[in-house]
Amino acid sequence: DAKTTQPNSMESNEEEPVHLPCNHSTISGTDYIHWYRQLPSQGPEYVIHGLTSNVNNRMASLAIAEDRKSSTLILHRATLRDAAVYYCSANNAGNMLTFGGGTRLMVKP
Amino acid sequence: EAQVTQNPRYLITVTGKKLTVTCSQNMNHEYMSWYRQDPGLGLRQIYYSMNVEVTDKGDVPEGYKVSRKEKRNFPLILESPSPNQTSLYFCASSLSLIPSGGYTFGSGTRLTVV
Repeated sequence: DAKTTQPNSMESNEEEPVHLPCNHSTISGTDYIHWYRQLPSQGPEYVIHGLTSNVNNRMASLAIAEDRKSSTLILHRATLRDAAVYYCSANNAGNMLTFGGGTRLMVKP
Repeated sequence: EAQVTQNPRYLITVTGKKLTVTCSQNMNHEYMSWYRQDPGLGLRQIYYSMNVEVTDKGDVPEGYKVSRKEKRNFPLILESPSPNQTSLYFCASSLSLIPSGGYTFGSGTRLTVV
């Protein structure tokens, strides 16, 4: 599994887009990129995942760099309920998730 | 409701007293895993299981045991707990290793070993 690096914290204003970066420079060709988030006092919650192409779902978008050494989770319009710790993980299909320290997202009204 | 259920939610115990944290899922998932979460260290995987009777070590397996006798249950066993195992524990399950809907996590078990 690739080691991931994320900023410790980020701040955003409500209703504005948020771009959360993740560096995974040691990623291998078979590693998927996953994003989860954890709200206070809850277990992690799946957000999105991808391999090579950009992905969209109802929660967010995932933009993967062409060399796959980094990715960005995009929340199109941050709400107060999006305040959480966001974890990026890069793992291959032969193992389960490993998480780094995550990014604490604070959303200001 | 599809869910992963952990019990207990909170547990305070003494050093050396064996304990088991249960994890059960009702989604017929093949894959299950245990994580511990500590401040500043993020989530670290303890053990995982790809199927019944198939388990493997994660990143921090020392001091823990698991078993997978049935598909739905994946208990975490601490034979002789020590204070450095004080942590927040999460169980997770998924249909496959790269599930389209991601892994489902339980609500957590906060363990304190004194």
